[in-house]
Formats: sequence, C-alpha cells, structure tokens
Amino acid sequence: QVHLQESGPGLVKPSETLSLTCTVSGGSVSGYFWTWIRQPAGKGLEWIGRIYSSGIPNYNPSLKGRVAMSLDTSKNQVSLNLTSVTAADTAVYFCARDTLRYFNWSPYAPWGQGTLVIVSS
Amino acid sequence: EIVLTQSPGALFLSPGERATLSCRASQTINNNFLAWYQQKPGQSPRLLMYGASERASGIPDRFSGTGSGTDFTLTISRLEPEDFAVYYCQQYDRSPLTFGGGTKVEIK
Repeated sequence: QVHLQESGPGLVKPSETLSLTCTVSGGSVSGYFWTWIRQPAGKGLEWIGRIYSSGIPNYNPSLKGRVAMSLDTSKNQVSLNLTSVTAADTAVYFCARDTLRYFNWSPYAPWGQGTLVIVSS
Repeated sequence: EIVLTQSPGALFLSPGERATLSCRASQTINNNFLAWYQQKPGQSPRLLMYGASERASGIPDRFSGTGSGTDFTLTISRLEPEDFAVYYCQQYDRSPLTFGGGTKVEIK
C-alpha cells in the first residue's frame, strides 16, 4: 500500500523560502502525477500544483511564479519550494497522488497526513 | 478557473437522516470530472466519489453522487456517526484544479 509522508520545517520566516519533501513508500513515483495542496487553519483546500514523474510541472497561476516542484525518482521523493512567503502562506501542506497511472487528470488518493507550516518571524 | 460553490455551508442532521450536499460549477465540467472528499478534524481528505457518480474503493453504498455539467449532488442516504465531517467537491477537468468551499455535516 502506497504511503506518503510530508516533511520539512514547521516554521519559516517571512520573505524566505518554504521547502517541503514528500516521501513515497510502498510504490513507485513513476507514471503518476504528484500534487501539493494546502489548507489554512479552518479553511478550504487550495491546489498548489503538480508534477509528473517525467519532471513536467503544472502550477496554480494564483501563486504568481513563487512555486517550484521537483521529483527525485531515485529517492521516491517529491519536493515543493515556495519563495517569498508571507503569513498568508501559513497552512497545512498535503502531498497527494493521482489515482490513475499514466492518466492526465484523475482525483487524489492517497494523501499524506499533512504538515503544518507557520510563517512568522 | 472553474469556481465551485458548495451549499449549504453547514447541515445539521441526526444519525439515520438523509444528507443532500450541492456543488455548483461556474463552467461546465467535462467528462463528469468531479470528485467528492470527506475530511475529519486533523485528517487528510479521503476520496469518496469520482466521475461524479462512481464510489471510490471501500466507500459504503449509502454514499451516492449524481449530476453533470454544472450541478452535482452528494447524497448520504442514512447518516452514520462516522459520517459527520466536512465534504469538499473538486473538479479535475482542467487546470488549475479547484475545490469547493466545503459543507460541514454536523450532529443536530
């Protein structure tokens, strides 16, 4: 059974870069899209973007070029970098996998448990 | 981008009652690429339905989904205690993928 685990600093200073890693166990990253989604406390879900196992990304334009994702197939890890963070970037960050392999668009399962990132000085 | 509006924002019901949740899209969702998720406090969302009406693996048949185009509905036929949670719809028809604001199903 595939398991996703997010990791990274829980506290980031304003204007700095938020860096998170999603480690995939029990399966391969190959052939799937890998997505980052965030959720501010008490609020809804926001799609940050996704990356295919070939390395081709697709980001949410609302993040105005601050986001970059990468994938390390040798380590079965997916990474997220979000630059120039502000308090508005404080949220629980989830990684998730598309349900369908080799398919362009499909819903998400499984999800990681999420990791809380607070932006504060 | 496709904006998804969920209603009501909250639903107060008793176990055994029927829950009807609505998700309306600002544009037509092609191929019925509409999913529903359930989220409980402190947990990640769990996929319930995809393709508007297909149940995900392990989801009980008291959950059903209908709709097409811009109007979609999730129905829970008889609420069990474990069904009280927040429900989100999501379109995966086109980028950026978007979620609705959620409907919280609470115990009356």
